[in-house]
Amino acid sequence: KNEVEQSPQNLTAQEGEFITINCSYSVGISALHWLQQHPGGGIVSLFMLSSGKKKHGRLIATINIQEKHSSLHITASHPRDSAVYICAVGKGTDKLIFGTGTRLQVFP
Amino acid sequence: NAGVTQTPKFQVLKTGQSMTLQCAQDMNHNSMYWYRQDPGMGLRLIYYSASEGTTDKGEVPNGYNVSRLNKREFSLRLESAAPSQTSVYFCASSEVFSGSAGNTIYFGEGSWLTVV
Repeated sequence: KNEVEQSPQNLTAQEGEFITINCSYSVGISALHWLQQHPGGGIVSLFMLSSGKKKHGRLIATINIQEKHSSLHITASHPRDSAVYICAVGKGTDKLIFGTGTRLQVFP
Repeated sequence: NAGVTQTPKFQVLKTGQSMTLQCAQDMNHNSMYWYRQDPGMGLRLIYYSASEGTTDKGEVPNGYNVSRLNKREFSLRLESAAPSQTSVYFCASSEVFSGSAGNTIYFGEGSWLTVV
């Protein structure tokens, strides 16, 4: 079993829908990262969380440390949100462990 | 501000050929990384340099070498390319070597390498 599991692996949505991507992990962590990889390949950091909830525009990320689970929500989804969303966890000075990603396609 | 720049973007190699992937960052970061990304797998760490002057093996170092040329530059060399090294390679950097919150990791645009 992978230490970081994401679900679903693939997700399609109509423009305007509310989207949730889940990340579960089995190791103790000090932070969880959400990353976005666009079709061209570049990867950008969206959020870093160690507790609670963060919001940036239409993106909301939450984490439950006790349940070892995080969710990334996209409100009012748009075709430009189409990308692969990657969850990664880190602990202290250890290297990051990455999930395999969730491929999201939003259709107009 | 370019962030992390890696070259080349695309490369086709024949088995046994050598090549070097170049990476530079302009954010004065201490730590730099090379990852590979393969279908159905998460990003895997090949080598990293926690600080200038140091390099260490990651999860999948076999067949690769690295050089931290200076604080800005971190190169990845394939001495004798094999088809199993066909992958997308990402260079990344961060202020310190840590997975902790507050330490944003910045990625390059990726290098698509095919070994035939």
